Parts: sequence; structure tokens; C-alpha cells
Amino acid sequence: DGGITQSPKYLFRKEGQNVTLSCEQNLNHDAMYWYRQDPGQGLRLIYYSQIVNDFQKGDIAEGYSVSREKKESFPLTVTSAQKNPTAFYLCASTVRGEQETQYFGPGTRLLVL
Amino acid sequence: AQSVTQPDIHITVSEGASLELRCNYSYGATPYLFWYVQSPGQGLQLLLKYFSGDTLVQGIKGFEAEFKRSQSSFNLRKPSVHWSDAAEYFCAVGGAGGTSYGKLTFGQGTILTVHP
Repeated sequence: DGGITQSPKYLFRKEGQNVTLSCEQNLNHDAMYWYRQDPGQGLRLIYYSQIVNDFQKGDIAEGYSVSREKKESFPLTVTSAQKNPTAFYLCASTVRGEQETQYFGPGTRLLVL
Repeated sequence: AQSVTQPDIHITVSEGASLELRCNYSYGATPYLFWYVQSPGQGLQLLLKYFSGDTLVQGIKGFEAEFKRSQSSFNLRKPSVHWSDAAEYFCAVGGAGGTSYGKLTFGQGTILTVHP
């Protein structure tokens, strides 16, 4: 089955720790995105990548980092500089030519211990 | 800059009643418009989308939406709500390619509660 997978489903971070959220897609999509979701705030764009080895900051990139070494993978690292990391993180992807229709993974909930 | 406003944070309807969720957008060019639905703890599922042509678009699960350029609106409707429609609904606007390729701006969401 084609789709987007995110792992883990739940992730716990200790103070001062970096954690990495995985996002993989087998849809052969060109672009991938990371969003953060907080109650009542909709989805806010963290980073996006339109092509391998290139990525752009979104609206709330501070305290996060990404890489795009393979077309199918776009991991997100939440660094210790992100002081309020507790949120639901969603990964999405799209293919050029489909008018920006984004398809979403199931999400990862990050909690701070 | 593009923006999306969903005026209603929370809507409650009875099962079998009709539903309309409001969405107003701001975008300087031809918008691409989307409605997504999210069940608790899940990802977003695409309900429908508008790019061009017929301003009334049909989606999955019996939903439809109407694009009204003069009102900058893209309201979601369903004639008869089912209990399984209870979820959070997001409206989103995107650009017509170029540097805005693939970037969507989402509204804050509307939570739908369905009473039996």
C-alpha cells in the first residue's frame, strides 16, 4: 500500500535532549512538509522540502532541524533549543502537478518528561 | 500573504440535521482551496478540493463545498450529518505554483460535535 508513515506514534523527550521524528513516503512525491499542531491553532509549517538535498524554513523553524537525503524520507529533529516541544507533529507530501494537494501521515505526539 | 479564517471554533448539530462550516480566505491570485477532516489523534484526510471550473465541488462522505470568489469563501456543507462525522475540520488555501508550490495555509479548525 502506498502512503506516508510516521514513527513513533508517541515520543517522550527529556530536558536538554534532541529527538528525531521519522517520516517516510512511498508515493514518489517530490515535496514533503512538517507541521506542528497545537489545540486551537491549526497547523503551522515548520520546514518543507521540494527536492532532495534542499529544504526551506517554514513559519516556526526555530528549534527544529531537518534533512532530505532521500526522496522518500524527511526526518525532523526537535532540538533542545525548542523550549515548548509538546505538540502533535504531522508530516505531509505532495507531487508537482497535483495542485498542491497534500497527503498526511498519521502523526507523532511528542511529550516532555 | 495568504490567510484562512474559520469563524466557528466549535459547532454542535443533531444527527440528521444539515451542516455548513464556514471558511473565508485571503489570497492575491487564483487560490487552490481544500477541506480536510481530522479524527482525534489521527492525521488529516482530504475531503475535497477546488482548483478551477465548477464552483460547486463534491467530495467524499457526502460533503460538498461552494467557491464564491466575490465573498472569498469556500463553505463546506452536508445535507444530513451522521454521528461518524464528528471530528475537526480544516480549510486550507494554496497557491498556483511557482515559489509557493505546495505550501498550504490552514485555518484554525472547526470542531464538530454530533448529538444523537
